[in-house]
Amino acid sequence: SQQGEEDPQALSIQEGENATMNCSYKTSINNLQWYRQNSGRGLVHLILIRSNEREKHSGRLRVTLDTSKKSSSLLITASRAADTASYFCATALSGAGSYQLTFGKGTKLSVIP
Amino acid sequence: DTAVSQTPKYLVTQMGNDKSIKCEQNLGHDTMYWYKQDSKKFLKIMFSYNNKELIINETVPNRFSPKSPDKAHLNLHINSLELGDSAVYFCASSSQREGLDEQFFGPGTRLTVL
Repeated sequence: SQQGEEDPQALSIQEGENATMNCSYKTSINNLQWYRQNSGRGLVHLILIRSNEREKHSGRLRVTLDTSKKSSSLLITASRAADTASYFCATALSGAGSYQLTFGKGTKLSVIP
Repeated sequence: DTAVSQTPKYLVTQMGNDKSIKCEQNLGHDTMYWYKQDSKKFLKIMFSYNNKELIINETVPNRFSPKSPDKAHLNLHINSLELGDSAVYFCASSSQREGLDEQFFGPGTRLTVL
């Protein structure tokens, strides 16, 4: 079954506002990654947070990880129209033989100019 | 220079035909992947190769056969195409065998089976 579940499925905000997307997962992980996908394009890696980390920043992005709740959030501050895209979380499972990322269904973010 | 490239970008074909999608990466990565993204944007891994060795083979019909002539290339051949094969197929690569590192994706190949 699917490992990651993003919430909400769709989010529409005004330019300049902050956008928060959440991801929940079911089993122990080695790391959790966030990707962005613009319409008609491939996925682009945004940020990776390891299971022993609680928070990570990259530019206007802030990611948190709560392994006790098996959840992560992605915050985009001061959003821009160019941030309009789908955002996916992906989990890398821990343990021997875990060779893959498992993606959630994504959150579709629309930033209105 | 494009890091991960795929050809063709669009592929429209009739049911029952055989087709191939090619993927090349110039990042020097050892591990390459094929993913299928359905109409609801759900991305599911199909195959993974490390140094030309198959390491992941998810539940995929055996009509799908990956081939890795060298570690920079991973091609996907599909026999006897069916309507349900219509999707966007993405190639990706990463530097780690375990796939725990970030992955670099190609632009995708949109396959439409009529």
